[in-house]
Amino acid sequence: GQNIDQPTEMTATEGAIVQINCTYQTSGFNGLFWYQQHAGEAPTFLSYNVLDGLEEKGRFSSFLSRSKGYSYLLLKELQMKDSASYLCAPMDSNYQLIWGAGTKLIIKP
Amino acid sequence: GAVVSQHPSWVICKSGTSVKIECRSLDFQATTMFWYRQFPKQSLMLMATSNEGSKATYEQGVEKDKFLINHASLTLSTLTVTSAHPEDSSFYICSARGGQPQETQYFGPGTRLLVL
Repeated sequence: GQNIDQPTEMTATEGAIVQINCTYQTSGFNGLFWYQQHAGEAPTFLSYNVLDGLEEKGRFSSFLSRSKGYSYLLLKELQMKDSASYLCAPMDSNYQLIWGAGTKLIIKP
Repeated sequence: GAVVSQHPSWVICKSGTSVKIECRSLDFQATTMFWYRQFPKQSLMLMATSNEGSKATYEQGVEKDKFLINHASLTLSTLTVTSAHPEDSSFYICSARGGQPQETQYFGPGTRLLVL
């Protein structure tokens, strides 16, 4: 079957760094996406990894290891507005995104 | 770039009526559009996938006669909830694929439907 494993909830302090891990199993693989979803809003695209390694985009970085079925999202210099759910979504062989419940990130002052 | 709009953002209707939701890609041509539903504190649930000019592909358990999808052009898809009932109350979100990166789904802001 296809599944995603992310922590349900994480707490971090404003200004700090947090890493959100994701392990996945899919039928085929065509890359992995990270989305941010604030409460009551639709998801917004953060990053896309299709090859192994680290992709950096401002305060956010995403890492992928295809052989391990593992990815992480790294958020630096945390701001209060980063409080949201973060969704790890691998794409399977049919180019469909597989969605889990995501990780709810709580930022404290 | 890669902006998707959705209209209306809020709908309140009586049980038994039909509701149409529009999804538009504003600055790119969407080869594929997706319709999702999300209940509070739950994950996104894919309802159907539609390609321009062809019939939508519905996920298992989604009634195609109840949730009518029309993908008339490369920038517009509509979802019509027919004979809505209170259990259809949910957050409906569309996404469109065709911007950059190529396989990325860009989401509309969503439509909250409340059926009384």
